[in-house]
Amino acid sequence: LAKTTQPISMDSYEGQEVNITCSHNNIATNDYITWYQQFPSQGPRFIIQGYKTKVTNEVASLFIPADRKSSTLSLPRVSLSDTAVYYCLVAGAAGNKLTFGGGTRVLVKP
Amino acid sequence: NAGVTQTPKFQVLKTGQSMTLQCAQDMNHEYMSWYRQDPGMGLRLIHYSVGAGITDQGEVPNGYNVSRSTTEDFPLRLLSAAPSQTSVYFCASRRDREWPQHFGDGTRLSIL
Repeated sequence: LAKTTQPISMDSYEGQEVNITCSHNNIATNDYITWYQQFPSQGPRFIIQGYKTKVTNEVASLFIPADRKSSTLSLPRVSLSDTAVYYCLVAGAAGNKLTFGGGTRVLVKP
Repeated sequence: NAGVTQTPKFQVLKTGQSMTLQCAQDMNHEYMSWYRQDPGMGLRLIHYSVGAGITDQGEVPNGYNVSRSTTEDFPLRLLSAAPSQTSVYFCASRRDREWPQHFGDGTRLSIL
């Protein structure tokens, strides 16, 4: 199973761009990279998923370099409601054995 | 379309009691999982299933049993509750291994 490493916490201000980098040095060829957001007292919610290069949707972008040993979640122009814990996951090749790391606590200040 | 529904939302047990946490999904997803989340920590996989009749262990399976008799339901059983099992439990489902997971709102379980 690919182990992931993320910063424990990050602070930002409203309107800024937040970039969270996740390291996954032993990612396997068939693994996908997925990011989730979790608010207090709620289950994690899917944000974005990618395999290589760049993926963009209406809420975030995901940058994956050619060696795929890391990935960066980019949240453009954050607001106070983006304060949450963000998890990086690497999909295990063995069926459903997904590994959640400790996540990154993002605090957006006014 | 309710997504993933977990019941109950809250439960207090005494040590040694047994209990079943219910999880149901209406999206016809093959993959289902149970996680526990302890304060300030990430989610740890307890058990998972890749289809009806098929289950397997995750990182922390001890003290928990599961079964998957239908596609929709994936109950988690605590046979003899221990204080170390006090946690928030999340159930998740997904279409297959390349799709993102949908999580329920969790069950907060306290064992005295």
